[in-house]
Amino acid sequence: DAGVIQSPRHEVTEMGQEVTLRCKPISGHDYLFWYRQTMMRGLELLIYFNNNVPIDDSGMPEDRFSAKMPNASFSTLKIQPSEPRDSAVYFCASSPYIQGLAETQYFGPGTRLLVL
Amino acid sequence: KNQVEQSPQSLIILEGKNCTLQCNYTVSPFSNLRWYKQDTGRGPVSLTIMTFSENTKSNGRYTATLDADTKQSSLHITASQLSDSASYICVVSEDSGYALNFGKGTSLLVTP
Repeated sequence: DAGVIQSPRHEVTEMGQEVTLRCKPISGHDYLFWYRQTMMRGLELLIYFNNNVPIDDSGMPEDRFSAKMPNASFSTLKIQPSEPRDSAVYFCASSPYIQGLAETQYFGPGTRLLVL
Repeated sequence: KNQVEQSPQSLIILEGKNCTLQCNYTVSPFSNLRWYKQDTGRGPVSLTIMTFSENTKSNGRYTATLDADTKQSSLHITASQLSDSASYICVVSEDSGYALNFGKGTSLLVTP
């Protein structure tokens, strides 16, 4: 398996532009997570899906952020309009369903976003 | 507020030496505690996951301990290698589900 795939790996954009980050989870995994990582705040969970349904989006910073999972093999995280403070590394992770919640999450390589 | 505090913030050790990283948390109710290793420019990779009933778990040269009474965990690295240079992140889950509480990580540098 290729693991979790994210694209693009790097994104540089200007303030006010729309940014779309993409993720392909590991086949067969029921859960998909979007994280943001900055030096100041570390890793933060933004939203997660179970079987394509958003379960908890309480970590989404504001209405400029939205995430979708139209099918089991694809998810997007969109920022519109983008702001310089959105600059961070955005990770997608997936995990299989195992009874109980102590299963491993597999992270993608991340998208490094810079908003000028 | 649930918190996860890691120490030290950064650490430099010589190759071949052992080291121990600490994680203290106030998360309640507790579900599980995970240690991740994150190489520079890469996504985190899971090292260990421990539930309430487990007090030690090993993964090769990595051994994690958990004291649920004192809400402390440690990650011990034996006979360190240059490839151990990375950030180590402690993550504590609440019993309510996937609510995750992240530490800010310990940055480890192993030098020749």
